[in-house]
Parts: sequence; structure tokens; C-alpha cells
Amino acid sequence: NAGVTQTPKFQVLKTGQSMTLQCAQDMNHNSMYWYRQDPGMGLRLIYYSASEGTTDKGEVPNGYNVSRLNKREFSLRLESAAPSQTSVYFCASSGGGTGEVEQYFGPGTRLTVT
Amino acid sequence: RKEVEQDPGPFNVPEGATVAFNCTYSNSASQSFFWYRQDCRKEPKLLMSVYSSGNEDGRFTAQLNRASQYISLLIRDSKLSDSATYLCVVNQAGTALIFGKGTTLSVSS
Repeated sequence: NAGVTQTPKFQVLKTGQSMTLQCAQDMNHNSMYWYRQDPGMGLRLIYYSASEGTTDKGEVPNGYNVSRLNKREFSLRLESAAPSQTSVYFCASSGGGTGEVEQYFGPGTRLTVT
Repeated sequence: RKEVEQDPGPFNVPEGATVAFNCTYSNSASQSFFWYRQDCRKEPKLLMSVYSSGNEDGRFTAQLNRASQYISLLIRDSKLSDSATYLCVVNQAGTALIFGKGTTLSVSS
């Protein structure tokens, strides 16, 4: 099992460019999440998907869109990148069984917007 | 008041020391509690769940006090490999996990 995988690992964008961060999990989890982590701010939830076909906003959704492509995949799109979106982005999944809420994280994408 | 608060540290301790981290949470409806560990430039990983009766995993002991809305993590006989950031995490039914900002531990020889 690979667990949670993310691509790319690193990315540099210019202001205004767009990109999609990919995430996939092979644990048959129902729920998937996107977080950003900034120094001194901790992990902040951007969007989550409680099950295939549903998505909901988290704490900091502005400037992002998501797609739950199927049960395995959950992508995060930046339509017009801004320097304030420079961050480390983590994807996570949970919900392999009844009441299981522990989240398993991918290795992260380090994004720099210049 | 932030939902999950932790002392950011850093805690600098020698090998073999015992160190304790504390965490408070604001929502009394919180139902599940965890400690995650995050190494530098890595993803967070679940260290242990926290149960009302307290639980132990080797050198690590977690305690929960629902009345005081307080969670603790005790590390005994610290190792160099324990150096990391420890995240306190809570969950309310039907919502996503809420992460504290983390407490940094540095163990030196």
C-alpha cells in the first residue's frame, strides 16, 4: 500500500498562473482533505470531501477549488496563484471503518508563488 | 479563544529526560482526541489516540481530562529520535479534525 500520494512534490509558479495538485489514496477511505501549513499558523483546512461526490469548504477556501474525481482521488486547483498561496499543501484521508476518524497524510507539496 | 491551544515551546531536553506537553481545547462537544507527530519538512503522522481512561504506548502516555478540557502527552526516557513537533488534535462528531499549532521538542545528547 502506498497510502496517500501527492504530486508534484515541489512547484514554483508565477503570480496569476494556475495549477492542480493531485492526491490519491489506496486505503479505501471515504473522506479526503486538503490542508495548508504555514509557519506559525499550523495546519488549516482548505476543503474536504466527506464522501465521493461531496465537497465542503474548510477554514481557508478562498482562491481554491477542489474535485473529488472518484473515491481514490481528490484534486486541489489554484486558478490564479497569488504569493499568499505560497505554502506547504497536505492531502489526507480517513474513514476506513465505522467511527475511524484518524487521518493519514501524504508527503506534501511545497508551492512557491513569485 | 483558539479552538486547540498548545505551548509552542521549544522544549529543549537532554536524552533520558521526562517531558510533558499540555493542550487545551475550547469546544466541550469534542469527542475524539489524538497526538500527531511531525518531523521537520515531513507530513504529520498519528502518534496515538487519547482515551478518557488514559493510555500508554511504550514510553508515551496520553491523558484526557474532559472536565478541564485538557489533554497531555508524557514522554519518558527521551531519545534523540523523539525530536519533532507534536500536534494536539481534536474532533467533534461530523466535522473535520482541528489541529493545534504544535509543540516543538528538541532532545540533545
